[in-house]
Amino acid sequence: DAKTTQPPSMDCAEGRAANLPCNHSTISGNEYVYWYRQIHSQGPQYIIHGLKNNETNEMASLIITEDRKSSTLILPHATLRDTAVYYCIVRVLGNTGKLIFGQGTTLQVKP
Amino acid sequence: EAGVTQSPTHLIKTRGQQATLRCSPISGHTSVYWYQQALGLGLQFLLWYDEGEERNRGNFPPRFSGRQFPNYSSELNVNALELEDSALYLCASSLAGQGVDEQYFGPGTRLTVT
Repeated sequence: DAKTTQPPSMDCAEGRAANLPCNHSTISGNEYVYWYRQIHSQGPQYIIHGLKNNETNEMASLIITEDRKSSTLILPHATLRDTAVYYCIVRVLGNTGKLIFGQGTTLQVKP
Repeated sequence: EAGVTQSPTHLIKTRGQQATLRCSPISGHTSVYWYQQALGLGLQFLLWYDEGEERNRGNFPPRFSGRQFPNYSSELNVNALELEDSALYLCASSLAGQGVDEQYFGPGTRLTVT
């Protein structure tokens, strides 16, 4: 599975959009980009995933560049409850089953 | 819809003992995954079960083992406990082991080895 690079930490003002970047320059054509988050001491929570088109759901939007070497997770109106560690994971289409978590980005939403 | 459940919430054992952790997947999910989150080491993949069979295993010694029951619930056993086994053990489930099905995590079992 391709390696991902994320900034270790970011701040965001409550009510503003949080834009979390992820670099995955070695991504292969059959690899999807997944985002999970982990609020302190809880199990990770699935947010969104995509292959090459932009995706949106009730939680967030995922923007993947045309060359697929980077992506951005957008939380449109961050709240204090969005404070968490956000993980960008690139996962091969296949049967390995495992998710490889890096260090993620700690997002601190401030009032 | 009930999420992934795990028991117990906390478990305290001494070195050399065995620990058994349990996981019930979301109804309809056939795949169960186990992860270890030790302090400072991040989330690491342990095991994947699908349809009662072990499908993949992470880089952990054989004293970490498990099984999946006909109702798709799963058990993780850790034998000969060592201090460094102290961690949050997370279980996740998905619809199937094929493709790119997203995994849904439980709240975890906090294992402390003294």
